Amino acid sequence: EVQLVQSGAEVKKPGESLKISCKGSGSTFSSYWIGWVRQMPGKGLEWMGIIYPGDSDTRYSPSFQGQVTISADKSISTAYLQCSSLKASDTAMYYCATSPGYSYGYGYFQHWGQGTLVTVSS
Amino acid sequence: SYEVTQPPSVSVSPGQTARITCSADALPKKYAYWYKQKPGQAPVLVIYKDSERPSGIPERFSGSSSGTTVTLTISGVQAEDEADYYCQSADSSDTWVFGGGTKLTVL
Repeated sequence: EVQLVQSGAEVKKPGESLKISCKGSGSTFSSYWIGWVRQMPGKGLEWMGIIYPGDSDTRYSPSFQGQVTISADKSISTAYLQCSSLKASDTAMYYCATSPGYSYGYGYFQHWGQGTLVTVSS
Repeated sequence: SYEVTQPPSVSVSPGQTARITCSADALPKKYAYWYKQKPGQAPVLVIYKDSERPSGIPERFSGSSSGTTVTLTISGVQAEDEADYYCQSADSSDTWVFGGGTKLTVL
């Protein structure tokens, strides 16, 4: 079974940039997709995007396209979520999760990381 | 933007059956998936491909589909089932979308 361990909580100031990580173990990292989900305080889940570390094929939600960058380094089984020019409204919990595929019945999140809390405040 | 619609809340007494619906235009052509999230915890997949149950998920959780609506059914609800439940599907461009979530309250 896959285990995902995310980097620790972050406190940032408006305008700063952020890069959080998600390290996979327990299975072949390049054989599944890794996605990112935002959950603002007291709100629902939002799909941000997903990457296939095997070939770096990346898809973004239109809501987050251009606002974030998803990347992966398969040599160290780690995916990343990068955000620049942070705003207070970026304060949220960010989850990574694995998916067996992207479409055709495989587009869902199977295993989740523990979440990374990001606080943006002056 | 594509909308996946769920009721904000559902209440049920212990031992009764809870039904949570999810509606979206593309559901006749796209699968739906369900996640359970308890406060302070990461979500957990409870149903995939409309009606399949992952290993480790109790049999009281089931899913069904009819037209533009899918339904998560929890039979014999227990106190531990109280949580937020999210439906997830995809639009015609395969962009994944979550529903707004349904808070299940066990009375």
